[in-house]
Amino acid sequence: NAGVTQTPKFQVLKTGQSMTLQCAQDMNHEYMSWYRQDPGMGLRLIHYSVGAGITDQGEVPNGYNVSRSTTEDFPLRLLSAAPSQTSVYFCASSRDRFHEQYFGPGTRLTVT
Amino acid sequence: GNSVTQMEGPVTLSEEAFLTINCTYTATGYPSLFWYVQYPGEGLQLLLKATKADDKGSNKGFEATYRKETTSFHLEKGSVQVSDSAVYFCALTPPYGAGGTSYGKLTFGQGTILTVHP
Repeated sequence: NAGVTQTPKFQVLKTGQSMTLQCAQDMNHEYMSWYRQDPGMGLRLIHYSVGAGITDQGEVPNGYNVSRSTTEDFPLRLLSAAPSQTSVYFCASSRDRFHEQYFGPGTRLTVT
Repeated sequence: GNSVTQMEGPVTLSEEAFLTINCTYTATGYPSLFWYVQYPGEGLQLLLKATKADDKGSNKGFEATYRKETTSFHLEKGSVQVSDSAVYFCALTPPYGAGGTSYGKLTFGQGTILTVHP
């Protein structure tokens, strides 16, 4: 049981490049979400999903896309990276939105 | 909107000292309140939670009491250890019944870095 896994651990992008941050969970959780962590600002919700095929925006969705084709996977896509997207990204999952959220180890992204 | 404010950090203590990390919130109604801990190089882990006024959450020697009258959820530990060195986040989610899918969407404070020296 691996819990919530994220790849890659580290990534450096140039402005304008695109990439996908991967998130997977093996706990059969319905609820998954993406947060970004910036110094002095805590974590902020980017997008979330209450189940396969259902996604919605969080607090800071601009510049990011998500999809949820399976229960296990919830990738986060950066379409055209900007320096303002330099951050640490965390994926989380829970049985449903009423239960404890389990966080992955994070992806540190730098955009130059 | 909802917000969470934590005390300014970082906090540096000697082993066996008493710890308090202040947390206050702004929200409508009765949100659920959480403390998460992030150890170096790891993701966040739920430390404790409280879902209604006057509830006390506790875990691993840490405690926090949901105070509706002061909109606070301060984290305390009577005797810290070096292994408690981490970043601590206070968070809330809107009350169950807030409507739509609001419940489960976490709002975090800025985090407090705790360093405990031997």
